[in-house]
Amino acid sequence: ETGVTQSPTHLIKTRGQQVTLRCSSQSGHNTVSWYQQALGQGPQFIFQYYREEENGRGNFPPRFSGLQFPNYSSELNVNALELDDSALYLCASSSRGASTDTQYFGPGTRLTVL
Amino acid sequence: SQKIEQNSEALNIQEGKTATLTCNYTNYSPAYLQWYRQDPGRGPVFLLLIRENEKEKRKERLKVTFDTTLKQSLFHITASQPADSATYLCAPPADRGSTLGRLYFGRGTQLTVWP
Repeated sequence: ETGVTQSPTHLIKTRGQQVTLRCSSQSGHNTVSWYQQALGQGPQFIFQYYREEENGRGNFPPRFSGLQFPNYSSELNVNALELDDSALYLCASSSRGASTDTQYFGPGTRLTVL
Repeated sequence: SQKIEQNSEALNIQEGKTATLTCNYTNYSPAYLQWYRQDPGRGPVFLLLIRENEKEKRKERLKVTFDTTLKQSLFHITASQPADSATYLCAPPADRGSTLGRLYFGRGTQLTVWP
């Protein structure tokens, strides 16, 4: 088990609503990345936060936004939810300056949009 | 754009046999590649990393190879056990030598080991 925690574990929303997902990074890690994993697919990179600023973004629209707090925890916000946003949302923490991109993942939040 | 392909969506083998999973990549040359294990409803767990100048890396019953000429990585589990049943994901960095935490995952191979 990693030290990365996510909340909530499951969430059901309707189309058009907004959602906030939360992540606490592993102790000693200063970087948080968010991934979306649709059923039967590999995780897709959404964005990364370092020092409370977005530091790299994948191919996701602006309605996906995030925050990182001074304690390195992070939030993922999704506005105007669409049916295709239904997925497992994974948070991963890492330590910037490490020689590789090894990521330590949390258990994920399962979002269902009806 | 870069593309990651894992050999099959599902692989079924008998306990005790060696499982071999394939990851092929195109349109770029990653400086390293990682393998993760994912159980249903859980986040991926890091297993092994292999760099482009390493031909082979081992950890207990796991072995990974990296052939930059073939643009391919092979992941082997020897003496497989039912507990090895999971989805295995291949993940090079999105950019060749990136250390920015942006991984580019394949869709994974679901391994089932039956007794």
